[in-house]
Amino acid sequence: DTAVSQTPKYLVTQMGNDKSIKCEQNLGHDTMYWYKQDSKKFLKIMFSYNNKELIINETVPNRFSPKSPDKAHLNLHINSLELGDSAVYFCASSQVVQRGSYNEQFFGPGTRLTVL
Amino acid sequence: GQQLNQSPQSMFIQEGEDVSMNCTSSSIFNTWLWYKQDPGEGPVLLIALYKAGELTSNGRLTAQFGITRKDSFLNISASIPSDVGIYFCAGRKSGGSNYKLTFGKGTLLTVNP
Repeated sequence: DTAVSQTPKYLVTQMGNDKSIKCEQNLGHDTMYWYKQDSKKFLKIMFSYNNKELIINETVPNRFSPKSPDKAHLNLHINSLELGDSAVYFCASSQVVQRGSYNEQFFGPGTRLTVL
Repeated sequence: GQQLNQSPQSMFIQEGEDVSMNCTSSSIFNTWLWYKQDPGEGPVLLIALYKAGELTSNGRLTAQFGITRKDSFLNISASIPSDVGIYFCAGRKSGGSNYKLTFGKGTLLTVNP
């Protein structure tokens, strides 16, 4: 029944490693997002894909690379992890129902990334 | 980048009290949303507002879309302990950036039983 799921829930890794976070939604939405929430709880958009096409790409280091194999999945790969990458990463999905009408963003439970 | 000014940053109240928080922006938004985040969870949508002046309720929650389209407020009446959490406002503009939400920095609400 989970609408937006993320794996893993917790990720602890060493600086310099490469890691991936996976996201899946079963809502039939056509748009998916990655957000970063820092220690001060500020939510910042990183990327968004609409029907597998990148539509939002904020100022994010190119060590972060999103991949959308299909419109139900959006994964986030991070190369050469740094201490400052420690945060909670949220996946979300939404649907433009018709012009000007939306099914608003539905968030996953988050992945807490700790870089040591 | 664009940010929303959300206040207050935190609130400590007694159970049964009413709560009010607001968001302001220097630019116009065409949609205002209010989300709540419980500890260890993702934000959950509480109320969505689509028209300037719109007043919408969801149980004990009431939110309004400011007529200038640059602000919104959220009221919680008769607070209960499970209202504890972080409340976020979010705005969306129209046009090419109509998928993107801009979030406020959140209001941390603590309710003392």
